[in-house]
Amino acid sequence: AQSVSQHNHHVILSEAASLELGCNYSYGGTVNLFWYVQYPGQHLQLLLKYFSGDPLVKGIKGFEAEFIKSKFSFNLRKPSVQWSDTAEYFCAVNGWSNAGKSTFGDGTTLTVKP
Amino acid sequence: DAEITQSPRHKITETGRQVTLACHQTWNHNNMFWYRQDLGHGLRLIHYSYGVHDTNKGEVSDGYSVSRSNTEDLPLTLESAASSQTSVYFCASRLAENTGELFFGEGSRLTVL
Repeated sequence: AQSVSQHNHHVILSEAASLELGCNYSYGGTVNLFWYVQYPGQHLQLLLKYFSGDPLVKGIKGFEAEFIKSKFSFNLRKPSVQWSDTAEYFCAVNGWSNAGKSTFGDGTTLTVKP
Repeated sequence: DAEITQSPRHKITETGRQVTLACHQTWNHNNMFWYRQDLGHGLRLIHYSYGVHDTNKGEVSDGYSVSRSNTEDLPLTLESAASSQTSVYFCASRLAENTGELFFGEGSRLTVL
């Protein structure tokens, strides 16, 4: 079985602060990894994804994530957050041998104070 | 533009009633999914389908059913609604297994009284 753990349930930052959200997954084989964002009142949308190759992936709006295979981690980072980054962030794993099903973490609510 | 739409967006129903939430996508995606989103639980998979006439149970499938008679639609039915099924339901689609990200609908908020 695959699982995802997000360490921070609620993060509060001031504008211009740096962000790092933790994500660890449990799965014994090849994985695809994703970060989704859900702005208030909206549906989930893709922020970035890792399939293969360079473990440092860049997404939209200045976000990036690093896949560290030895640590089973896929942490999300942004050097300087903006008020508009206030949202809920979900890490997801898709194990290749798990019938293509995506498993989501519980989510991290990010509040950015202006 | 291709899209994925859910209806109704909001529904209030009573315990024991049958409820169907519609999901329609115009991307011609083979894979479709239903998730429920609850505070503290993130998104949990209810049912999914990899093609016409294919349906599979997810981790929280009890009390729910789906059918896939065409590529575009995957309706979710609550056979006898319970208060524990009060939630926000998201439909999602993807071209095929292991090919990429999920595309989500706007969500359907269901309240069971």
